[in-house]
Amino acid sequence: DSGVTQTPKHLITATGQRVTLRCSPRSGDLSVYWYQQSLDQGLQFLIQYYNGEERAKGNILERFSAQQFPDLHSELNLSSLELGDSALYFCASSVGRTSGVQETQYFGPGTRLLVL
Amino acid sequence: AQKVTQAQTEISVVEKEDVTLDCVYETRDTTYYLFWYKQPPSGELVFLIRRNSFDEQNEISGRYSWNFQKSTSSFNFTITASQVVDSAVYFCALSELVYGQNFVFGPGTRLSVLP
Repeated sequence: DSGVTQTPKHLITATGQRVTLRCSPRSGDLSVYWYQQSLDQGLQFLIQYYNGEERAKGNILERFSAQQFPDLHSELNLSSLELGDSALYFCASSVGRTSGVQETQYFGPGTRLLVL
Repeated sequence: AQKVTQAQTEISVVEKEDVTLDCVYETRDTTYYLFWYKQPPSGELVFLIRRNSFDEQNEISGRYSWNFQKSTSSFNFTITASQVVDSAVYFCALSELVYGQNFVFGPGTRLSVLP
């Protein structure tokens, strides 16, 4: 158990809909990262937040957005969903003392999203 | 641009065999970090090792060992005396300090250890 929690575990929705994925980092970790894992794209970094502020952006679509709240939990919002958004979405956290690139990231169990 | 190559898509071995998973990376940064993660059938990602670009010492942890060679831009992972529980997808990842601020994962190698 990494200490990172994600809810829900599974999500089934329809195209055009909007969903919110939630992540709680390990106790004491200030950085939260979001990743998408799909069969065709593999594991892709989406975005990083550090102590409430966006720190780094990866291959995140404009239809997607994220935020980190004062209690350090984070939410990933996916809107106007398409079939291709079906994937496993991971959240990870790290201490966040530095820029984060050299820190070990601990991953949550993931949220499996299925768009029908 | 960052790039991580794991040329072996799938490997099958019989229990107790040694197996090496290859990872080759590309970076123009002089300071970078390399990682290995394991993704068992249950789906979670488990951290195995982190290595910075200035530390080329090989590392051993139980049956696991890692060989980092900057000259060939490789960070290979060896499992000695493999066990069925080692069956998983293994990902190598690269993170740059200057030119990139985020992780790039390789495509992964699926290891099947047969009893």
